[in-house]
Amino acid sequence: DAGITQSPRHKVTETGTPVTLRCHQTENHRYMYWYRQDPGHGLRLIHYSYGVKDTDKGEVSDGYSVSRSKTEDFLLTLESATSSQTSVYFCATAKGGTSVVGEQFFGPGTRLTVL
Amino acid sequence: RKEVEQDPGPFNVPEGATVAFNCTYSNSASQSFFWYRQDCRKEPKLLMSVYSSGNEDGRFTAQLNRASQYISLLIRDSKLSDSATYLCVVSQGAQKLVFGQGTRLTINP
Repeated sequence: DAGITQSPRHKVTETGTPVTLRCHQTENHRYMYWYRQDPGHGLRLIHYSYGVKDTDKGEVSDGYSVSRSKTEDFLLTLESATSSQTSVYFCATAKGGTSVVGEQFFGPGTRLTVL
Repeated sequence: RKEVEQDPGPFNVPEGATVAFNCTYSNSASQSFFWYRQDCRKEPKLLMSVYSSGNEDGRFTAQLNRASQYISLLIRDSKLSDSATYLCVVSQGAQKLVFGQGTRLTINP
């Protein structure tokens, strides 16, 4: 398995506060992703990165920003958290290049509660 | 309409039974297809890719019907350890995936 860690693993915060989630990988994978998972919706892509400083929006990007200054780190920021952003957040990576398209490796997830 | 639709279940079947899940996708330009498995409160992991010719991995068989835009997963001789949520996943290229909401399976002793 790819070495992917997420921090924090659990967080409770209040509406209106900024929150940053960190994803760290040790596999030198080119692609990194942030998803959220909610009951009835499955996994939905928030933002993704296809290289250092190269990022793009996913299907549910409103209220979120990302940064990738190093290959191994991908940060997700909620500028002003809202209760609708209470969710489980998963980071994932993919090798890219000629690797199997569709094989993504997931971190353990971060449970975020916004009160 | 969701891009990938699955029956959320739950499916409760006895150990040793055969169980099948279907999934439909709406984008005919979809290129690659997969099943991921997610255990309770864990991260998803790739179970198997799905090829047009169908493919088998031990007790698991995956089928793709491009004309009808559906994907299936068959599990034979189910084990207690097969209890999980099975996610149908579609790729439209560029290393981006679209996930179904998952089908929850419980195997009963």
